[in-house]
Amino acid sequence: RKEVEQDPGPFNVPEGATVAFNCTYSNSASQSFFWYRQDCRKEPKLLMSVYSSGNEDGRFTAQLNRASQYISLLIRDSKLSDSATYLCAVNSGNTGKLIFGQGTTLQVKP
Amino acid sequence: DAGVIQSPRHEVTEMGQEVTLRCKPISGHNSLFWYRQTMMRGLELLIYFNNNVPIDDSGMPEDRFSAKMPNASFSTLKIQPSEPRDSAVYFCASSPRLAVNNEQFFGPGTRLTVL
Repeated sequence: RKEVEQDPGPFNVPEGATVAFNCTYSNSASQSFFWYRQDCRKEPKLLMSVYSSGNEDGRFTAQLNRASQYISLLIRDSKLSDSATYLCAVNSGNTGKLIFGQGTTLQVKP
Repeated sequence: DAGVIQSPRHEVTEMGQEVTLRCKPISGHNSLFWYRQTMMRGLELLIYFNNNVPIDDSGMPEDRFSAKMPNASFSTLKIQPSEPRDSAVYFCASSPRLAVNNEQFFGPGTRLTVL
């Protein structure tokens, strides 16, 4: 089993839709969680950190479920510009090392 | 502010040749990470440094791969000899310090093709 797993998709949604992605992790000692966005042929860019209490940044909401060992990303009112691959990253135990999921591809259609 | 800088951006070489990838982390960042990304395997951590010292190189695939960080503002990843299966995008990332809650910032990557 991979340490961090994501549904690769693609998720095809119309503009204005709400879409959610999950990411499961296997190391119960993990303490930090992040969502990155990666555009085609570009580098991953940090979208948001995921805090225990959940956090929101505009149309984006990230949540952590420690009991079930997953994090989620919710995007409301999808825009065409949200089309990208979303990578979750989880720190490995007590290290500063991040393990990345394979990414979930989102395509927002007009 | 300058982000992570990588060079070259693209490299095409022939099997057996030596390849050297370069990275300049964000000024003031103490941790540096080298990743490789392919369609099949996703984004994999190869090696990381803290204060110029290699901490974990367990992701380096073979002895053909080596990495150095001679000072706080420069690191290299070398492949010698290169093979077609090394074709991938190689990213360098840096972080202010090595801590469990520190975000990493990526460079634009080097797209390597080995013929």
